[in-house]
Amino acid sequence: SQQGEEDPQALSIQEGENATMNCSYKTSINNLQWYRQNSGRGLVHLILIRSNEREKHSGRLRVTLDTSKKSSSLLITASRAADTASYFCATEGGGSNYKLTFGKGTLLTVNP
Amino acid sequence: DAGVIQSPRHEVTEMGQEVTLRCKPISGHDYLFWYRQTMMRGLELLIYFNNNVPIDDSGMPEDRFSAKMPNASFSTLKIQPSEPRDSAVYFCASSLSSGGAIDTQYFGPGTRLTVL
Repeated sequence: SQQGEEDPQALSIQEGENATMNCSYKTSINNLQWYRQNSGRGLVHLILIRSNEREKHSGRLRVTLDTSKKSSSLLITASRAADTASYFCATEGGGSNYKLTFGKGTLLTVNP
Repeated sequence: DAGVIQSPRHEVTEMGQEVTLRCKPISGHDYLFWYRQTMMRGLELLIYFNNNVPIDDSGMPEDRFSAKMPNASFSTLKIQPSEPRDSAVYFCASSLSSGGAIDTQYFGPGTRLTVL
């Protein structure tokens, strides 16, 4: 079963607006990662947040993690048409389990 | 670095045929992962290797699927015989462990498999 579940499944916004995507998971994690996938391409790593971190920034990206609620959010500020893609959260389980479990993603469309 | 390389990029075959997908990980990476992506099931981990040794193949759907990693720079995923329900995009990813954990996975461009 999927560990991470993204919400919403699809999001359509205008260029310049902010986009927020959420991810919920079920079991304890070592870290949570966000990936982007452009149509027809492989996934590209965006940002990683460890279980002992609460917030992380990278350029226009801001990720938060609430381990008590088992949830994370990805905020893209001042969106651009080039941000149009699917966004996935992935969790790495605890212990020596090095598997990443991906959600089904949020399809973000940024209209020019 | 050229990144993770996969071949072929597209494969169309008929049911019952053998299919072999290939992957060259990033040099120096010690983890290699095979995923399958479909609209219905999303991205599923099939199998992963550490230092060329299969660690977890619990995601391999059936005995028709097999994967090998004969050396640190090459892996194959084989489907024999192939079936229409195997149609999907297959991704290979590699990663470098540090401090007993792995972080970023680097994905290849994928192989789009169509089984008629």
